[in-house]
Amino acid sequence: GAGVSQSPSNKVTEKGKDVELRCDPISGHTALYWYRQSLGQGLEFLIYFQGNSAPDKSGLPSDRFSAERTGGSVSTLTIQRTQQEDSAVYLCASSSRLAGTDNEQFFGPGTRLTVL
Amino acid sequence: SQQGEEDPQALSIQEGENATMNCSYKTSINNLQWYRQNSGRGLVHLILIRSNEREKHSGRLRVTLDTSKKSSSLLITASRAADTASYFCATDAFKAAGNKLTFGGGTRVLVKP
Repeated sequence: GAGVSQSPSNKVTEKGKDVELRCDPISGHTALYWYRQSLGQGLEFLIYFQGNSAPDKSGLPSDRFSAERTGGSVSTLTIQRTQQEDSAVYLCASSSRLAGTDNEQFFGPGTRLTVL
Repeated sequence: SQQGEEDPQALSIQEGENATMNCSYKTSINNLQWYRQNSGRGLVHLILIRSNEREKHSGRLRVTLDTSKKSSSLLITASRAADTASYFCATDAFKAAGNKLTFGGGTRVLVKP
């Protein structure tokens, strides 16, 4: 089966514009995560969806960031009024998160966002 | 703040040598995982060790876990140029951490041919 896919792979935008990043998780995976990775840095957790539960938004850096997960599958991360410091690679991951499993995460290839 | 802190931040070795990197964490965990990242893109899961395990092997990879010291190590034996990548540890504290993994800052490994 297909892995996690993300689109676009690269996005260049001007400061102040809104952007939408898309993630298609592995079919059947109930958990979906968004991370941000600045150049040469580790992963910064942004948001986590688990089934029908309320998402864990504790990692979102500002109210310009929001995410949705429709129908328990595809997720969209939206950044409004982008700033240059938003430039990073945005990574999505999914996991099955079933009882008794170990929460191994499967990552997409990421979207490289550049804000000019 | 990050749960895992990795050491060293960067490592340069010759092909054929072993590479060892360490990860320390702060809270109790359910399991600890190691991931590899090539060229700043998606991460690939390498190996998982549960809190009740002390050592695990997968091919040329050997992972140890010391829960009393809250630390783990990843050993890559007989390294190859293709092992050049960044390696991240991630801790799963299960419900205590909101059911999400917490990643360390990574170790950049360069294997010179």
